[in-house]
Amino acid sequence: QQQVKQSPQSLIVQKGGISIINCAYENTAFDYFPWYQQFPGKGPALLIAIRPDVSEKKEGRFTISFNKSAKQFSLHIMDSQPGDSATYFCAASIETSGSRLTFGEGTQLTVNP
Amino acid sequence: DAGVTQSPTHLIKTRGQQVTLRCSPKSGHDTVSWYQQALGQGPQFIFQYYEEEERQRGNFPDRFSGHQFPNYSSELNVNALLLGDSALYLCASSQLRVYNEQFFGPGTRLTVL
Repeated sequence: QQQVKQSPQSLIVQKGGISIINCAYENTAFDYFPWYQQFPGKGPALLIAIRPDVSEKKEGRFTISFNKSAKQFSLHIMDSQPGDSATYFCAASIETSGSRLTFGEGTQLTVNP
Repeated sequence: DAGVTQSPTHLIKTRGQQVTLRCSPKSGHDTVSWYQQALGQGPQFIFQYYEEEERQRGNFPDRFSGHQFPNYSSELNVNALLLGDSALYLCASSQLRVYNEQFFGPGTRLTVL
């Protein structure tokens, strides 16, 4: 059972544009929602994370928007750069149960110069 | 400060063989989780170790087993390898009682022929 659904599967954006990746979850017990960035041949790296008590979190060019009632959250990358080209994964976990991460399927982002 | 390290980087095995993968957590971390990432997919949780015991387990058969040592390093063992076990195996470390953030290693690419 896929508990975290991610879209789109791939995304092409021009340099300076805004990249938007969406995720939806099913398990209402999830209370921690991180985003990971993965480059080819590397392990996922934590970008930014949010908890359900806030609707938005911003760190530099990266923003998470969270809609608890819709069970959806999204990653916005402002002023996208070619160096942002990577695969992005959303994930969810239940903090009190040891933080086992459930990942989305991933979005391959390409930022054209 | 060394991050999460994994060995070996790549491994080629044949069906029916057994394999052992190794992971050293980030300094100060006491919890190790293992994930399997098939090509083009998000990581899938295998199991998690804390205080040398398996705390949680994902939907993986008993052919997958693990161990954690007193220095917090960990091993993943897979017996009776199948072609479908070909994947990137990721180790993630965290501090169970303090942080929810998991830091991933670069992974071990396992190919089963």
